[in-house]
Amino acid sequence: KQEVTQIPAALSVPEGENLVLNCSFTDSAIYNLQWFRQDPGKGLTSLLLIQSSQREQTSGRLNASLDKSSGRSTLYIAASQPGDSATYLCAATNQAGTALIFGKGTTLSVSS
Amino acid sequence: GAVVSQHPSWVICKSGTSVKIECRSLDFQATTMFWYRQFPKQSLMLMATSNEGSKATYEQGVEKDKFLINHASLTLSTLTVTSAHPEDSSFYICSAKAGAGNTIYFGEGSWLTVV
Repeated sequence: KQEVTQIPAALSVPEGENLVLNCSFTDSAIYNLQWFRQDPGKGLTSLLLIQSSQREQTSGRLNASLDKSSGRSTLYIAASQPGDSATYLCAATNQAGTALIFGKGTTLSVSS
Repeated sequence: GAVVSQHPSWVICKSGTSVKIECRSLDFQATTMFWYRQFPKQSLMLMATSNEGSKATYEQGVEKDKFLINHASLTLSTLTVTSAHPEDSSFYICSAKAGAGNTIYFGEGSWLTVV
């Protein structure tokens, strides 16, 4: 059964710093991996989706990588801003169209 | 783009009563919908997978008689929390798979508070 782990659980950085959030998964036979953002009391905003055949995806200041062999994904945030403060969730699915399995998330706080 | 709508966004109910949460796909047919529960500061835990026209598949530890899931049409799935108790208070969120595609879209979530 797929398990997803995220470290650190919380992270505080000053504005402008580049940072990396880590995600690991136990079953390397994933179909795809997604990174989401969740603001307090809100739903999910999809940030990046990486198919199993891909190594990375980029959107603006965000870059997500996928290394299936090591069971790891990273989310890189460049030049962090206070508006980036949120909980970032990593989720993997092992088959097309099946449920995503989520990690517990990393709560990011960017101070101005 | 595809939109999944949940209703209500938040609900307060008395202990012992039942409450229904709806998940609608607004511009696509959702053959499969997923229901998750999220306790404060915890991650999303999959409760069940709902396929249109068939019984839902529940994850281990989720009481199917307490959390009734109905997926009677290709655009609507409902989650009914029966005989709700304060420990059922949580954020419930659904997601839907768009037909033959593999993209999954999430609803905005529903806050349930049982008093």
